[in-house]
Amino acid sequence: NAGVMQNPRHLVRRRGQEARLRCSPMKGHSHVYWYRQLPEEGLKFMVYLQKENIIDESGMPKERFSAEFPKEGPSILRIQQVVRGDSAAYFCASSEIQGTRNTEAFFGQGTRLTVV
Amino acid sequence: KQEVTQIPAALSVPEGENLVLNCSFTDSAIYNLQWFRQDPGKGLTSLLLIQSSQREQTSGRLNASLDKSSGRSTLYIAASQPGDSATYLCAVIPFNDYKLSFGAGTTVTVRA
Repeated sequence: NAGVMQNPRHLVRRRGQEARLRCSPMKGHSHVYWYRQLPEEGLKFMVYLQKENIIDESGMPKERFSAEFPKEGPSILRIQQVVRGDSAAYFCASSEIQGTRNTEAFFGQGTRLTVV
Repeated sequence: KQEVTQIPAALSVPEGENLVLNCSFTDSAIYNLQWFRQDPGKGLTSLLLIQSSQREQTSGRLNASLDKSSGRSTLYIAASQPGDSATYLCAVIPFNDYKLSFGAGTTVTVRA
């Protein structure tokens, strides 16, 4: 089991460009969560998705950010018109049942986005 | 809203000393608590998961306790080694939710 795979590991974008972050959950997992870690801060929840459905996007900024988890392929976190404040580490986690209540949350290695 | 606090923010100990890391949370209605390790520039590695009905979990040199009523968990690492140097994160899942609420972490340095 390859674990949760995120790519790219590092991403540099100029202000105003788009950033696309990809996450492939562990085999057999159909629930994906995205978290953001700002420098010197803890991880903050952004969005929870199941296949083809957004379950909870309460932690995601209302503008410029979107997420999807299609029937086939990885989950995508998309940031349009990036600004310097978007520079952070973005982590994806997956689980095999609804929520991560009774099972361990498995995280990917993260994508470190730098906006220049 | 669940708030998770980890004290101290940083800790430096000589090799061989036992480590005690503290985590507190404001709402005792939780499903479980999980301890993670994060190495610089890396992802999160799950260390221990404690269900709300449990008092502690052990794995090798690691032992985590949970006192739900007082909103506290402690991670003990016995006989620390330089390889234990990392940031340790505590996270809880509230009873009526499914997403993890994280503390800011404790950065540990074990000196050889």
